[in-house]
Amino acid sequence: LAKTTQPISMDSYEGQEVNITCSHNNIATNDYITWYQQFPSQGPRFIIQGYKTKVTNEVASLFIPADRKSSTLSLPRVSLSDTAVYYCLVYSGNTPLVFGKGTRLSVIA
Amino acid sequence: GAGVSQSPSNKVTEKGKDVELRCDPISGHTALYWYRQSLGQGLEFLIYFQGNSAPDKSGLPSDRFSAERTGGSVSTLTIQRTQQEDSAVYLCASSFVSTSGSGEQFFGPGTRLTVL
Repeated sequence: LAKTTQPISMDSYEGQEVNITCSHNNIATNDYITWYQQFPSQGPRFIIQGYKTKVTNEVASLFIPADRKSSTLSLPRVSLSDTAVYYCLVYSGNTPLVFGKGTRLSVIA
Repeated sequence: GAGVSQSPSNKVTEKGKDVELRCDPISGHTALYWYRQSLGQGLEFLIYFQGNSAPDKSGLPSDRFSAERTGGSVSTLTIQRTQQEDSAVYLCASSFVSTSGSGEQFFGPGTRLTVL
């Protein structure tokens, strides 16, 4: 069973900021919070990873509250090309990933 | 800077036939994973290789499925006596062994298997 809960789908207009929240109430001390992106007919692609507070890279930001029981992936100014499925995972080390259904983001022009 | 490659990209077979799917991981990655994704579903773990350790086969759905990894590099997933429910996209991923944090897995493009 996936250790995370996230919305099944979200819609957004181009140019808006999109925030996808993920719940992981039973996160372990050693677990990191990681987000992957998957386009149709492609394998998932790593976006961002964090342990606590805030992480930012060229693609997204990841906000993690102090209790680490949830996290929010923030995509600034989305474009049509950001339409994809976004997966939130919590794990540590090199272990097989347990994927849930992910969040299907549809960006509308 | 080649990524993970898989072959073939598409495979159509008849029920009852055996198939072999190949994965070439990123050079230097000691961990290799196989997953499958059925239409509209999330990814399902199948098997995991880490260095010279015995593979973790806990995700294989039946004894018709097997995999090997030769020389710590290329891996082959074999499905014997294929069934229609085996139709899916089979994805391979590889990663470095991380001593801290969580290892980022790099996925290949997948092999789409269709069993008629």
